[in-house]
Amino acid sequence: AQTVTQSQPEMSVQEAETVTLSCTYDTSESDYYLFWYKQPPSRQMILVIRQEAYKQQNATENRFSVNFQKAAKSFSLKISDSQLGDAAMYFCAYRSASNDMRFGAGTRLTVKP
Amino acid sequence: GAGVSQSPSNKVTEKGKDVELRCDPISGHTALYWYRQRLGQGLEFLIYFQGNSAPDKSGLPSDRFSAERTGESVSTLTIQRTQQEDSAVYLCASSLGGRSRNEQFFGPGTRLTVL
Repeated sequence: AQTVTQSQPEMSVQEAETVTLSCTYDTSESDYYLFWYKQPPSRQMILVIRQEAYKQQNATENRFSVNFQKAAKSFSLKISDSQLGDAAMYFCAYRSASNDMRFGAGTRLTVKP
Repeated sequence: GAGVSQSPSNKVTEKGKDVELRCDPISGHTALYWYRQRLGQGLEFLIYFQGNSAPDKSGLPSDRFSAERTGESVSTLTIQRTQQEDSAVYLCASSLGGRSRNEQFFGPGTRLTVL
């Protein structure tokens, strides 16, 4: 079974600075998708960014980018120019070709003004 | 509606009672997912519907849990004889189809408290 590990229960960053959230996963499959979701206190999960495993190029969405290392099974999220609204729980997720979906335990990000 | 809706938003029940949680997916979304999120933890996959069939029920924790879906619309998650360990937020998500790359849109969740 696939597992997703987020080794940082909590992280903090100064406003306007850059922070990187770590995620590793374990799988024997070659075709899969990786996601980062954000969950603010309102509980509404919001997709931040996604990466197809067959693509070598790292996905980027405005201030959010990933460092996808397929051989190392690593999928970190970099948030540049952090804003107060970025404060939330961040979940890394793995989705197999058969739609088996697994989430990590989450990283709580605090943004300091 | 514009997004995935879930009802009730909060439910408090006594141990041993049955509860029914409802999810209204985004119109046109054929895939629907149920997850459980215990306090301070990540999401635990429960069940996935493609249309009204459930190809993957592997995440249901016990036979007290069941789910059904009417067509490509509303889904209900039923927990019978609730236990205190069932206390959690139950999240529903829908997506356009079952393809892995399709984004899942999440509802606000139902917070279940079993006394």
